[in-house]
Amino acid sequence: GQNIDQPTEMTATEGAIVQINCTYQTSGFNGLFWYQQHAGEAPTFLSYNVLDGLEEKGRFSSFLSRSKGYSYLLLKELQMKDSASYLCAVWDSNYQLIWGAGTKLIIKP
Amino acid sequence: NAGVTQTPKFRVLKTGQSMTLLCAQDMNHEYMYWYRQDPGMGLRLIHYSVGEGTTAKGEVPDGYNVSRLKKQNFLLGLESAAPSQTSVYFCASSYPGTSGGQETQYFGPGTRLLVL
Repeated sequence: GQNIDQPTEMTATEGAIVQINCTYQTSGFNGLFWYQQHAGEAPTFLSYNVLDGLEEKGRFSSFLSRSKGYSYLLLKELQMKDSASYLCAVWDSNYQLIWGAGTKLIIKP
Repeated sequence: NAGVTQTPKFRVLKTGQSMTLLCAQDMNHEYMYWYRQDPGMGLRLIHYSVGEGTTAKGEVPDGYNVSRLKKQNFLLGLESAAPSQTSVYFCASSYPGTSGGQETQYFGPGTRLLVL
């Protein structure tokens, strides 16, 4: 079966750095997405990785290792507005998006 | 640009009632999707469409029907609602990718459905 694992919840301090991990087992791989979802709102796109390595976008970076079936999202200089759920999703061999359950990130002052 | 819009935002149904959820996008996207999101679970694909007049089943299609008569609209129907269909429903749209796959998906604000 297809499976994406993320921690259910994480807590971090304002101004700090946090790394949210995602491991996947899917039938094929055509890319990995990270989305942000604030409570009661729609998911919004953060990043897309299809090749191994680190993609940096301002305070957010995303890393991919296809051989390990592993990705992480790194958030630097955390702000209170970063409190949200972070969803990992993988394109499988049929270009269907398989979604993880999401990681709820709580930022404390 | 409004992006992706959904109506209604919230609805309460009794078991056995029917309803239609409407999704509209103004980005000229070819692909459109309907998902449901339940606590502790990832987004699950109900149905999707790769173009006007075409639809296909996703992971959890039972109990739902869809239609894509116009490129900008994607309708989700519940013919006989059941309590198990209580959920938040999200519509999304995207361009097809250059590889023939799906690009970044843009989501609507969601419809909260409660079936009693």
